[in-house]
Amino acid sequence: DADVTQTPRNRITKTGKRIMLECSQTKGHDRMYWYRQDPGLGLRLIYYSFDVKDINKGEISDGYSVSRQAQAKFSLSLESAIPNQTALYFCATSDRRDGYEQYFGPGTRLTVT
Amino acid sequence: QKEVEQDPGPLSVPEGAIVSLNCTYSNSAFQYFMWYRQYSRKGPELLMYTYSSGNKEDGRFTAQVDKSSKYISLFIRDSQPSDSATYLCAMTYNQGGKLIFGQGTELSVKP
Repeated sequence: DADVTQTPRNRITKTGKRIMLECSQTKGHDRMYWYRQDPGLGLRLIYYSFDVKDINKGEISDGYSVSRQAQAKFSLSLESAIPNQTALYFCATSDRRDGYEQYFGPGTRLTVT
Repeated sequence: QKEVEQDPGPLSVPEGAIVSLNCTYSNSAFQYFMWYRQYSRKGPELLMYTYSSGNKEDGRFTAQVDKSSKYISLFIRDSQPSDSATYLCAMTYNQGGKLIFGQGTELSVKP
């Protein structure tokens, strides 16, 4: 079984809808991250969490919110989806000591029409 | 200006070629330098990391960091079709810090 899983893998939604992307990990890591990937822009950090009670904004947090339900679960929400949030979304985890080595999930392809 | 700049390519080379992938950065506080590899429809995976300046070799892959020039490179020798992927450089200030990624370079190795 994969160490980092994301659901759903693909989602098409309409402008204005609320949507939640979920991430679970079995690596036992404290740290979890949400990124979005756009062609030509690389990976950009949306939110990150160093433990269950610690949530931090990343480079592009506007329009997004997160919830860390447990050490193993980290959800990303789009409160009112807009077309420019169409992108590939990745969840990642890392150990507190070796944060440079992040383990990524398979990604969620989100399309907002 | 982005903190980390990477030529997005795409880069196409014949099998067996030596490939050079590069990133430049603006923040001299970066200490850890990584290369991630991302196959199509997959998440990125750590390929190599280097602390501070110098070279690191792992099989056909060599990572170089020149902090004086704020420039990092990844060399792939004897490139194989299985090396076809997007390569992303990443850097951070400290061992546990958040990563700053380059735009990624798409590499295609033709048989």
